[in-house]
Amino acid sequence: DQQVKQNSPSLSVQEGRISILNCDYTNSMFDYFLWYKKYPAEGPTFLISISSIKDKNEDGRFTVFLNKSAKHLSLHIVPSQPGDSAVYFCAASDGNAGNMLTFGGGTRLMVKP
Amino acid sequence: KAGVTQTPRYLIKTRGQQVTLSCSPISGHRSVSWYQQTPGQGLQFLFEYFSETQRNKGNFPGRFSGRQFSNSRSEMNVSTLELGDSALYLCASSPDGGSQETQYFGPGTRLLVL
Repeated sequence: DQQVKQNSPSLSVQEGRISILNCDYTNSMFDYFLWYKKYPAEGPTFLISISSIKDKNEDGRFTVFLNKSAKHLSLHIVPSQPGDSAVYFCAASDGNAGNMLTFGGGTRLMVKP
Repeated sequence: KAGVTQTPRYLIKTRGQQVTLSCSPISGHRSVSWYQQTPGQGLQFLFEYFSETQRNKGNFPGRFSGRQFSNSRSEMNVSTLELGDSALYLCASSPDGGSQETQYFGPGTRLLVL
């Protein structure tokens, strides 16, 4: 039972345009959501997070939106740069399970120059 | 501040052997979690340690175990290795292991079981 899903395995975007990565979850107990960027054979790098009490969090070119009623979050990258090409994972934690993270399957983003 | 460090970075073992992986968290962080990444199963939570005690455990067999030392460094052990244990093992640390804390990952240990 996949509690966190990223339905798009890959996404290709032109440099300078917006990249939108999506994530859906089923567990209504999740109260904290994170996005990580990952290169092959490296550990995930934290990008941005959002608490369930908010619906938007912004950090530079990265913005995360949370729609609790739809159990959906998205990561917007504007403008996209070739260096953003990587696999992006969304993750969620349930306050009753400590800080255990449940990860989505990842979306490979390719930003073309 | 130094990040999370993991040793060794790469390891080759044969079936039936056992292996120990090490993780040093960010200075001041007291919570250490371990994750397994495989192509088929993605990133899966193994267990979390805080103040030398296991606080959470994922759905893995008892062959997977860990411990944490008083300096917050953690080790993970896998006994009787199977081919399916080949994976990238990731360690993550956070200050107190609270539910809304960001976890920071190390570079991982790539384990290949032959």
